[in-house]
Amino acid sequence: EAGVTQFPSHSVIEKGQTVTLRCDPISGHDNLYWYRRVMGKEIKFLLHFVKESKQDESGMPNNRFLAERTGGTYSTLKVQPAELEDSGVYFCASSPYRDRGRRGNSPLHFGNGTRLTVT
Amino acid sequence: GEDVEQSLFLSVREGDSSVINCTYTDSSSTYLYWYKQEPGAGLQLLTYIFSNMDMKQDQRLTVLLNKKDKHLSLRIADTQTGDSAIYFCAENSRDDKIIFGKGTRLHILP
Repeated sequence: EAGVTQFPSHSVIEKGQTVTLRCDPISGHDNLYWYRRVMGKEIKFLLHFVKESKQDESGMPNNRFLAERTGGTYSTLKVQPAELEDSGVYFCASSPYRDRGRRGNSPLHFGNGTRLTVT
Repeated sequence: GEDVEQSLFLSVREGDSSVINCTYTDSSSTYLYWYKQEPGAGLQLLTYIFSNMDMKQDQRLTVLLNKKDKHLSLRIADTQTGDSAIYFCAENSRDDKIIFGKGTRLHILP
């Protein structure tokens, strides 16, 4: 089974430019998550899709970040305009559908991440 | 609020055991996880434990959970150079997000 794939693996852009990150989850996984790790800090939750719907976007830093998952398959995360503090590694993860009546996620499968550097 | 704490660095001699410790805050977490990140790679799920267990063993890995103290540890027996990585402790949050610690960088000494 193919794992979670992310593209690009690295991106270097100038402040003010736009960047779009892509994530292809494991086939059949309804849950898709975006996380971010800024240098030396925790891996922070950004948002969670269930199929094409945004389940929770409470971790999105501000309105410069836009995530989409049209059709419930792959997802994109756009940063526009990028700022210096947006630099970090952006991880995508997926997991199968979980019965909402049960507490606790099935373990997340992560991609290799996109390392974003804003100069 | 929810928080996961772990030490940032650990140095261990090759062949010795490594013990990485973690404390968490959400006593209602159902699952607790250990993820491993090797240089240039993504987050690999190493192991996880249900909150109703106090120990889980998988080959060289032993996870111990002290639910009363909200303390989780990962022991790696016979540490090898290939174990050099960042190890992240993580818990379920109340709203079902996964909360990560800052990661412990494990350095192997020859």
